[in-house]
Amino acid sequence: QLQLQESGPGLVKPSETLSLTCTVSGGSISSSNYYWGWIRQPPGEGLEWIGNIYYTGSTYYNPSLKSRVTISVDTSKNQFSLKLSSLTAADTAVYYCARVPSHLNLPDYWGQGALVTVSS
Amino acid sequence: DIQMTQSPSSLSASVGDRVTITCRASQSIRSYLNWYQQKPGKAPKLLIYAASSLQSGVPSRFSGSGSGTDFTLTISSLQPEDFATYYCQQSYSTWTFGQGTKVAI
Repeated sequence: QLQLQESGPGLVKPSETLSLTCTVSGGSISSSNYYWGWIRQPPGEGLEWIGNIYYTGSTYYNPSLKSRVTISVDTSKNQFSLKLSSLTAADTAVYYCARVPSHLNLPDYWGQGALVTVSS
Repeated sequence: DIQMTQSPSSLSASVGDRVTITCRASQSIRSYLNWYQQKPGKAPKLLIYAASSLQSGVPSRFSGSGSGTDFTLTISSLQPEDFATYYCQQSYSTWTFGQGTKVAI
């Protein structure tokens, strides 16, 4: 059974960099059938796509966040990671990792989410 | 970016009711429209993809329709477990989501 689990600090200071990792179990991140993505949701608000990565390392970012985002993959650990720099309070959100079937181009399976609060 | 607008933002309904939620795109997205259900404290769950295809394991009371700019999600007979927030999402270009529709008792 596929599981995605986000991990990382729950509190980060303004101007610093958020780092989260998604560990995939029950499936291989190196499958050619899937991309892997990050989506966030500020408390009480809607959803915002951050970006996707393929196991080869090819990345696709939301243009509105592109200057601050880096997504990477570690196939040996079956993990992919998110870094978001120059944080402000507006980046406080639940961050979800998700599987993206390449033939559908949508997030079909999500992790449980990790709340990251940006505050001094 | 393509803007997605859902209506209504919230609705009250009873068990057994037929519920319809509308999603409108700011430009044509053909059939690249997906629907998700989210319960409090949980991740979104895919219900419908490509406007009208039911995701595996999703009850048949859920259905989707539309193409171009106008789409609907219909729940034919609302069940207690269906009280949640529903989001549409376009995958035609840079992914964007609607603001959500909360279905409450």
